Amino acid sequence: GAVVSQHPSWVICKSGTSVKIECRSLDFQATTMFWYRQFPKQSLMLMATSNEGSKATYEQGVEKDKFLINHASLTLSTLTVTSAHPEDSSFYICSARGDPDQPQHFGDGTRLSIL
Amino acid sequence: QKEVEQDPGPLSVPEGAIVSLNCTYSNSAFQYFMWYRQYSRKGPELLMYTYSSGNKEDGRFTAQVDKSSKYISLFIRDSQPSDSATYLCALKAAGNKLTFGGGTRVLVKP
Repeated sequence: GAVVSQHPSWVICKSGTSVKIECRSLDFQATTMFWYRQFPKQSLMLMATSNEGSKATYEQGVEKDKFLINHASLTLSTLTVTSAHPEDSSFYICSARGDPDQPQHFGDGTRLSIL
Repeated sequence: QKEVEQDPGPLSVPEGAIVSLNCTYSNSAFQYFMWYRQYSRKGPELLMYTYSSGNKEDGRFTAQVDKSSKYISLFIRDSQPSDSATYLCALKAAGNKLTFGGGTRVLVKP
């Protein structure tokens, strides 16, 4: 149980385009979803937290107009990287949890490469 | 000083040995303690989840929490080459956010 699916797993696109990443909880209702960024050989860095039906809460230093998060249902959250540039290239990982006392379950990540 | 300290390794052990991992923390508000395993270019996979001091066992994995010493451990018995990965401890106080250790890279040699 507690499966989180993330798509796409790898995307390459040109500078200036927008990229959408989907995160789905397959077998539980995700009250809260999280988006992380991970650089090579480093731990996960939280970008934002989203509760279903509410606006996302962004961490300090994360541009909310750059990284648009939508959490319109209890099983789906999306992250859109708008006008992506090479410095946005990274590994993006989502996670989801149900009740506040439950652990987060992670997707398999999306490797984003901006040319 | 980081809130959660974790030795980055790499920790190299022969197949069949016990792998011992640990994290120390400074914030006594942490109530929930997790261990995740992360393979290269994959998301973290939850291994253990505890919220009280003491031991919790699941198959080859044993998690220990010592709140008085602010110290948590993960033991992997009968280690296999497939256990080679980065292991992350993650701690949570009341609220949403996880605080991660930096991760320990483990290599199990056949």
